[in-house]
Amino acid sequence: ETGVTQTPRHLVMGMTNKKSLKCEQHLGHNAMYWYKQSAKKPLELMFVYSLEERVENNSVPSRFSPECPNSSHLFLHLHTLQPEDSALYLCASSQSTASTDTQYFGPGTRLTVL
Amino acid sequence: AQSVAQPEDQVNVAEGNPLTVKCTYSVSGNPYLFWYVQYPNRGLQFLLKYITGDNLVKGSYGFEAEFNKSQTSFHLKKPSALVSDSALYFCAVRDSYRGSTLGRLYFGRGTQLTVWP
Repeated sequence: ETGVTQTPRHLVMGMTNKKSLKCEQHLGHNAMYWYKQSAKKPLELMFVYSLEERVENNSVPSRFSPECPNSSHLFLHLHTLQPEDSALYLCASSQSTASTDTQYFGPGTRLTVL
Repeated sequence: AQSVAQPEDQVNVAEGNPLTVKCTYSVSGNPYLFWYVQYPNRGLQFLLKYITGDNLVKGSYGFEAEFNKSQTSFHLKKPSALVSDSALYFCAVRDSYRGSTLGRLYFGRGTQLTVWP
């Protein structure tokens, strides 16, 4: 798991707070992803970045705002979240967005919205 | 449309016995298939993948998976289970079809494997 790191590991926030999740990959990859993992549901792809350019936004509410300043770092900025946004947020990276490339995941940030 | 089904929410096996975690898929083009494992409070760890070639794929920790095109299945197997294999297992598929969504991995709901001593 040292290949992809995420901070913080746990986050509790109120609905009016603003916070950010951070992801860093040490694998020299060019693509990065945000996923949401909720109980009893399949993993949901949120955003895809390729070479620092957003290439997919999977109908995610605007209260989630991604940022990719360089190919090693990915952020997810959070504001005015809802309790149903509580979930495990996973970051992943891959060499490219080619279908044959393996995605490697970080440990996740456990988010609780009160 | 692409989809993955893991028909069993839970699989229980005794240590030392063989284990199988089932996965079936649906894609428009040729499938690229992946297995991941998730331990409590951890991210997903890559186990193995099938892209092309030999239908039997070997991966990490003694796991292997068999691609069966006619049955559209990619079951995960291990000849002798360990207690430490107890975890949540996810099957995922990507589509070779050019019109498919860029980078999208379609995941199953996961199968909880419990290996008892």
